[in-house]
Amino acid sequence: GQNIDQPTEMTATEGAIVQINCTYQTSGFNGLFWYQQHAGEAPTFLSYNVLDGLEEKGRFSSFLSRSKGYSYLLLKELQMKDSASYLCAALDSNYQLIWGAGTKLIIKP
Amino acid sequence: NAGVTQTPKFRVLKTGQSMTLLCAQDMNHEYMYWYRQDPGMGLRLIHYSVGEGTTAKGEVPDGYNVSRLKKQNFLLGLESAAPSQTSVYFCASSLAEGGYNEQFFGPGTRLTVL
Repeated sequence: GQNIDQPTEMTATEGAIVQINCTYQTSGFNGLFWYQQHAGEAPTFLSYNVLDGLEEKGRFSSFLSRSKGYSYLLLKELQMKDSASYLCAALDSNYQLIWGAGTKLIIKP
Repeated sequence: NAGVTQTPKFRVLKTGQSMTLLCAQDMNHEYMYWYRQDPGMGLRLIHYSVGEGTTAKGEVPDGYNVSRLKKQNFLLGLESAAPSQTSVYFCASSLAEGGYNEQFFGPGTRLTVL
């Protein structure tokens, strides 16, 4: 079956760095997305990785290892507004997105 | 540009009632999707459309129907609502299929079925 695993909840301190991990098992693989979702709002796109390695976008970076079925989202210089859920989603061989349940990130002052 | 809009934002139904959720996008996207989001679970695809006049079933299509008569609109219908359909429904659209085409989401519809 197809499956995405990510931690349910994480806590970090303002100004610190946090890494949110995601492992995936899909029928075929066409890349991995990270979305941010604030409580009560719609998901918004953060990043897409299809090749192995690290993609950096300001304070956010995303890493992919296809051989390990593993990705992480790295958030630096955490701000209170980063408190949100982070959704990992893998694109399978049919170009359907398989979504994880999301990681709720709590930022403490 | 408004992006993706959904109506209504909230709705309470009684078991057995019917309703239609409307999604509209002004980005000229070909692909549109309906998801439901339940606590502790990932987004689950209900139905999707790859273009005007076409629809296809997703992961959890039972109890729902859809129509895409115009490119910019994607309607989700519940013919006979059940408490198991209590959820938050998100519509999304993308320019095309494939990895470099992220999905843009509407604000969601919070549906409660009593």
